Amino acid sequence: GQQLNQSPQSMFIQEGEDVSMNCTSSSIFNTWLWYKQDPGEGPVLLIALYKAGELTSNGRLTAQFGITRKDSFLNISASIPSDVGIYFCAATLSTMRFGAGTRLTVKP
Amino acid sequence: DSGVTQTPKHLITATGQRVTLRCSPRSGDLSVYWYQQSLDQGLQFLIQYYNGEERAKGNILERFSAQQFPDLHSELNLSSLELGDSALYFCASSASGTAGYTFGSGTRLTVV
Repeated sequence: GQQLNQSPQSMFIQEGEDVSMNCTSSSIFNTWLWYKQDPGEGPVLLIALYKAGELTSNGRLTAQFGITRKDSFLNISASIPSDVGIYFCAATLSTMRFGAGTRLTVKP
Repeated sequence: DSGVTQTPKHLITATGQRVTLRCSPRSGDLSVYWYQQSLDQGLQFLIQYYNGEERAKGNILERFSAQQFPDLHSELNLSSLELGDSALYFCASSASGTAGYTFGSGTRLTVV
């Protein structure tokens, strides 16, 4: 149904490396979003995508709304220690659904 | 501070009890959403209210109920609590027509 399959589940990278994560679904969505959650906090919106094919950047973050409207990816370039956290994809049709998250660890 | 206020921040209660979680949305936002996040899991949508009326329902148990009051704050009531109800409960709000939700810091519920 409207399940979002997010991968990878976790990543361990060296500071300065680039990161890529993605989300796929068998359903079509109107909006794709990416959130970051720090320990003990609520998710914070990073990027929102509203049109199929849209490519949007926010600093070192770049995300794309897949052309089929069934997927999205998030890239983080030149990672830094404060990028550590859990990244969630989300997508909306009527309500917002979330992926299971990608836990990112950055080693200095 | 996201502008969405949730209280209490932590709650410990026994099985079989009932608790109420409270959420004040960001100023001007008419929609309130409740999500449940179990340990190391994603966020499961529970219910949405818009300007006092229920708008959408997700995976919300019959033991759980919610409402949104005229001042737009919302309460999530959890009754006959079970150990498995232990989780982080998040409230989010949004303005009409926007896709991005603003989340509160959550209420951590522990059922013992």
